[in-house]
Amino acid sequence: AQSVSQHNHHVILSEAASLELGCNYSYGGTVNLFWYVQYPGQHLQLLLKYFSGDPLVKGIKGFEAEFIKSKFSFNLRKPSVQWSDTAEYFCAVNGAAGNKLTFGGGTRVLVKP
Amino acid sequence: DTEVTQTPKHLVMGMTNKKSLKCEQHMGHRAMYWYKQKAKKPPELMFVYSYEKLSINESVPSRFSPECPNSSLLNLHLHALQPEDSALYLCASSWLGAGQETQYFGPGTRLLVL
Repeated sequence: AQSVSQHNHHVILSEAASLELGCNYSYGGTVNLFWYVQYPGQHLQLLLKYFSGDPLVKGIKGFEAEFIKSKFSFNLRKPSVQWSDTAEYFCAVNGAAGNKLTFGGGTRVLVKP
Repeated sequence: DTEVTQTPKHLVMGMTNKKSLKCEQHMGHRAMYWYKQKAKKPPELMFVYSYEKLSINESVPSRFSPECPNSSLLNLHLHALQPEDSALYLCASSWLGAGQETQYFGPGTRLLVL
């Protein structure tokens, strides 16, 4: 069975600070990896995804993530956050046969203006 | 266009009521999903339809009954729900095939069971 772990449940930082959210997964086979964001009162939106190729992927709104296979990790980064980045961030994995997406527990990010 | 629409946005129902949630996508996706999201928790998969056939049921109680009338529509029929079923119900859709399984989510239906 596949599982996803997000290390930080809550992160508070100031505008212009750098952000890094950790994500580790457990699954022995080939995986597809995703980061989704849920802004307050809004629906889940795809930030970025990794299927294969360059392990450093760039997404929308200045976010990027790095897939490190040896560490089973897919950490999300943004060099300089804005107040509008306040949201909940979910890492997700689809590794099993079929199309079953498993989410991590989420990280609530609060950016202080 | 990556839009998945869901109706209604909000639903309040009693434990003896029968209601339905509706989801629609026009992206040509051949997989559709229902998730349940409780407050401050991640989405949990309930059902997956692939090519209009139920392919995954995550041991969901029978008071939830999914239906996929065609490749664009997905329904979730609700009957005799419990207060603990109150949650945000999310629909998603995706292509099928290696490298194409990105799921796009609708805004959800916020359900309150009294």
